[in-house]
Amino acid sequence: DAGVIQSPRHEVTEMGQEVTLRCKPISGHNSLFWYRQTMMRGLELLIYFNNNVPIDDSGMPEDRFSAKMPNASFSTLKIQPSEPRDSAVYFCASILGGGGEQFFGPGTRLTVL
Amino acid sequence: KQEVTQIPAALSVPEGENLVLNCSFTDSAIYNLQWFRQDPGKGLTSLLLIQSSQREQTSGRLNASLDKSSGRSTLYIAASQPGDSATYLCAVCTGNQFYFGTGTSLTVIP
Repeated sequence: DAGVIQSPRHEVTEMGQEVTLRCKPISGHNSLFWYRQTMMRGLELLIYFNNNVPIDDSGMPEDRFSAKMPNASFSTLKIQPSEPRDSAVYFCASILGGGGEQFFGPGTRLTVL
Repeated sequence: KQEVTQIPAALSVPEGENLVLNCSFTDSAIYNLQWFRQDPGKGLTSLLLIQSSQREQTSGRLNASLDKSSGRSTLYIAASQPGDSATYLCAVCTGNQFYFGTGTSLTVIP
């Protein structure tokens, strides 16, 4: 298996623009997680899905952030409009079953100018 | 809410030394604990997963232990090598929630 796949790997955009990050979990995994990592705040859980259904989005910072998982093999995290403070590395991770081993993607480094 | 702490934040050791990284958590009601390695500019790589019913797990030069009652886990690295230099994070799982420590940055000096 190719592991968790994320795209793009790097994104540079201007303040106010819409940003869409993409994730393909490991085939067969039924839970997917979106994280954000910054030097100041470390690794923060934004939202997670179980069987394509959003379970907990309490970590989503504000309404500008939204996430979808239309099927078991694809998820998106959208920021609209983007702001400079959204600059961070965004990771996607997946697990097989509750309490399983978590596998991370390579991350998307987002820079908002 | 579960809080996870890793001490020290940074550690520098000469090559060949054995070392221990610490992870503590406040709520002992966990499903499992996972140790990760993160290289600069990279994602997290899973090292070891310890289920709540287990006391330790081993993989090569790595050994992780878990003491739920005291809320502690340790990652033991034997015969450290420069290639072990990275940030090591622990994550506690409570159901489908994962709580991460802030990591220990390890430098192994040749």
